[in-house]
Amino acid sequence: GQSLEQPSEVTAVEGAIVQINCTYQTSGFYGLSWYQQHDGGAPTFLSYNALDGLEETGRFSSFLSRSDSYGYLLLQELQMKDSASYFCAVVGGSARQLTFGSGTQLTVLP
Amino acid sequence: GAVVSQHPSRVICKSGTSVKIECRSLDFQATTMFWYRQFPKQSLMLMATSNEGSKATYEQGVEKDKFLINHASLTLSTLTVTSAHPEDSSFYICSARPGLAGGKHSYEQYFGPGTRLTVT
Repeated sequence: GQSLEQPSEVTAVEGAIVQINCTYQTSGFYGLSWYQQHDGGAPTFLSYNALDGLEETGRFSSFLSRSDSYGYLLLQELQMKDSASYFCAVVGGSARQLTFGSGTQLTVLP
Repeated sequence: GAVVSQHPSRVICKSGTSVKIECRSLDFQATTMFWYRQFPKQSLMLMATSNEGSKATYEQGVEKDKFLINHASLTLSTLTVTSAHPEDSSFYICSARPGLAGGKHSYEQYFGPGTRLTVT
């Protein structure tokens, strides 16, 4: 089976940098994804790491260490619109399905 | 590109009735579709995985006779909640994946906007 841990809440101010950590235990692993979800909306894809290292996409970066079963999402130059829930998700299993973490509620303050 | 639609977006039904939710990939063919359930302030829980033309694979604890899934074409999957009860009230979200053609984005799932089901 799979289990993932991430902080439940994070608060930061506009313009700041925030890191959301995710640790996982899995019996089968292809990669780690990150999704953003605003209240009442659908999850939207942010990033995917299959290999160790840092992937950068604009203000967002994601890191993976397979040996440590650990990853993080780094959000820079925070904006109010970044207030949302962020989920890490392991890609695994025979169908390469997603197993989601419990989510981190990010609140960006003015 | 990669748009997934769901219909209806909201539905209210009476206890004991059945509700069908449609999930469509609008601009790509989805070899695999997934159905999730999400309670307020909680994570997405995978209910089942469906491949076009074959039976769905249900996650442990999900009743296949209660949550009927049909993936009749490469662009359409349906979830029918049969004999709905108030505890089935939830946010149901589908996702679609184009296929494992290689490259990191072959694992990317595109999510529909979700269907909020309320059973009274």
